[in-house]
Amino acid sequence: NAGVMQNPRHLVRRRGQEARLRCSPMKGHSHVYWYRQLPEEGLKFMVYLQKENIIDESGMPKERFSAEFPKEGPSILRIQQVVRGDSAAYFCASCPGQNYGYTFGSGTRLTVV
Amino acid sequence: GENVEQHPSTLSVQEGDSAVIKCTYSDSASNYFPWYKQELGKGPQLIIDIRSNVGEKKDQRIAVTLNKTAKHFSLHITETQPEDSAVYFCAASRIGGGSNYKLTFGKGTLLTVNP
Repeated sequence: NAGVMQNPRHLVRRRGQEARLRCSPMKGHSHVYWYRQLPEEGLKFMVYLQKENIIDESGMPKERFSAEFPKEGPSILRIQQVVRGDSAAYFCASCPGQNYGYTFGSGTRLTVV
Repeated sequence: GENVEQHPSTLSVQEGDSAVIKCTYSDSASNYFPWYKQELGKGPQLIIDIRSNVGEKKDQRIAVTLNKTAKHFSLHITETQPEDSAVYFCAASRIGGGSNYKLTFGKGTLLTVNP
């Protein structure tokens, strides 16, 4: 079992560009969560998805950010028109259900220049 | 919403000593409390968790205690080793009852174990 796979590991974007972060959950896991970690901060919840459904996006900024988890393929976190404040580490986690702990990926470190 | 406070923010111990990290939470409905270890450049790794129907849980050198009345929980690491050096995060969540199982994290504790 390869674990939760995130790519790319590092992503550099200029202000105004789009960033696409991908997450493949562990095999058999249908619940995906995205968290953002700012320097020297804890992780902040962004969005919770199940296959083809956004269950809770209460932690996601209302503009420029979107997420999906299609029937086939990885979950995608998309940030349009990036700004310097979007620079952070973005972590994806998956679990098979609420009686199991999360497994986190290694994260994507986004730098906006 | 839930708020989790974690102390201390940094902790330095000698190898072989014990380390204790404490967290408090605000939402009395929270019933699941995991602890994560994060090494530099890596994602958080679950090291132990506790549910609110249990007061203490141990796994080798690691233990977690929970006081529901006071709304605080603690991580105890005994016989620390240099490889225990990392950032440790506590978190709280509500599971079951239609909740979304999203975690609220503390700000982390940088643990340094000196050889």
